[in-house]
Amino acid sequence: EPEVTQTPSHQVTQMGQEVILRCVPISNHLYFYWYRQILGQKVEFLVSFYNNEISEKSEIFDDQFSVERPDGSNFTLKIRSTKLEDSAMYFCASSAQDSHYGYTFGSGTRLTVV
Amino acid sequence: AQTVTQSQPEMSVQEAETVTLSCTYDTSESDYYLFWYKQPPSRQMILVIRQEAYKQQNATENRFSVNFQKAAKSFSLKISDSQLGDAAMYFCAYFGNYGQNFVFGPGTRLSVLP
Repeated sequence: EPEVTQTPSHQVTQMGQEVILRCVPISNHLYFYWYRQILGQKVEFLVSFYNNEISEKSEIFDDQFSVERPDGSNFTLKIRSTKLEDSAMYFCASSAQDSHYGYTFGSGTRLTVV
Repeated sequence: AQTVTQSQPEMSVQEAETVTLSCTYDTSESDYYLFWYKQPPSRQMILVIRQEAYKQQNATENRFSVNFQKAAKSFSLKISDSQLGDAAMYFCAYFGNYGQNFVFGPGTRLSVLP
């Protein structure tokens, strides 16, 4: 079964550093998403991306965040200057349609900011 | 905005017994979709079951079934013949008919006792 792949599985970074989280969506999917789960809390939507632009974003997705599809396979989330409160699990997801059908989550990247 | 509430932070069940996890939601939409996701210690988000709001019949997937009460905006998950592998965090989630993202509840941690 096709998978959404996220790397690395765990990343530790110093406060103030830039970090890039990487995702390889399912190959024929066109819609891409990032979610965040602070430890012990619910999963929250960050941003959706389609046709090389952001289609929707939450209030969490402020100016320190950016997303990019640098080539035909990768989808990245960049956090410009990390803060302690950015420590969380970050999930990438993709779907073929603009709906929940085929919506597939990756296994997540645990980001720890020290 | 839609909200999803799970009033049971933790539940436990004896192996082979049945347990029901509660979920309520709030929406002004008439067409939408509801989901239960399982998150084991590996932290991956695994789809358990899906219900279309326009369908009156409750969804069933093997040992998992739902009790969908649209008027009450209630969507509970019943796990029959509980197994040790069912131990996980369970998230109830909402997806609007015109939306692009899931709205998750805070989760219920299920323990299965041998």
